[in-house]
Amino acid sequence: NAGVTQTPKFRVLKTGQSMTLLCAQDMNHEYMYWYRQDPGMGLRLIHYSVGEGTTAKGEVPDGYNVSRLKKQNFLLGLESAAPSQTSVYFCASSTVNYGYTFGSGTRLTVV
Amino acid sequence: GENVEQHPSTLSVQEGDSAVIKCTYSDSASNYFPWYKQELGKRPQLIIDIRSNVGEKKDQRIAVTLNKTAKHFSLHITETQPEDSAVYFCAKNSGGSNYKLTFGKGTLLTVNP
Repeated sequence: NAGVTQTPKFRVLKTGQSMTLLCAQDMNHEYMYWYRQDPGMGLRLIHYSVGEGTTAKGEVPDGYNVSRLKKQNFLLGLESAAPSQTSVYFCASSTVNYGYTFGSGTRLTVV
Repeated sequence: GENVEQHPSTLSVQEGDSAVIKCTYSDSASNYFPWYKQELGKRPQLIIDIRSNVGEKKDQRIAVTLNKTAKHFSLHITETQPEDSAVYFCAKNSGGSNYKLTFGKGTLLTVNP
């Protein structure tokens, strides 16, 4: 099992560009999440999904969109990147009874 | 009710000493409290968790205690080693369900040889 796989690992975007981050899990987990991690701020929830075809907003959803068309995939989109979205993005998945399994992260820089 | 306060933000100990990190919360519906360790440049990894029906859980040198009345839980690391150096995050679930964790801001633990 690969666990949770995120692509890409690194990306540099220019302000206004768009991109999609992909998260894939092979553990048949129902729940999937996108967090961003900034120095001194911990991990903040962007969006999450409790099942295929469902998504919900987290603590910091503005500027991001998500989709969960297949149970194993959770996509995070930035339609018009801003420097404030420079961060490390972590995807995670879980079942109802256990803690998260995190992906290895995507380091995004917006210039 | 969503926030988790974590203290201290940095902690430096000598090898062999104990380290204690404490988190407080206000949501009385929370019933799942995991701790994660994140080494530099790596992903957070679950090291121990506790559910509200127990007050303490141990796993070798790591233990977690929970006081639901006072709404705080703590991570205890005994006989610290240099490889324990990392950022530690506490977390709690919301609304009694076991998903959607809210994280503390983290504690940078440094174990000096």
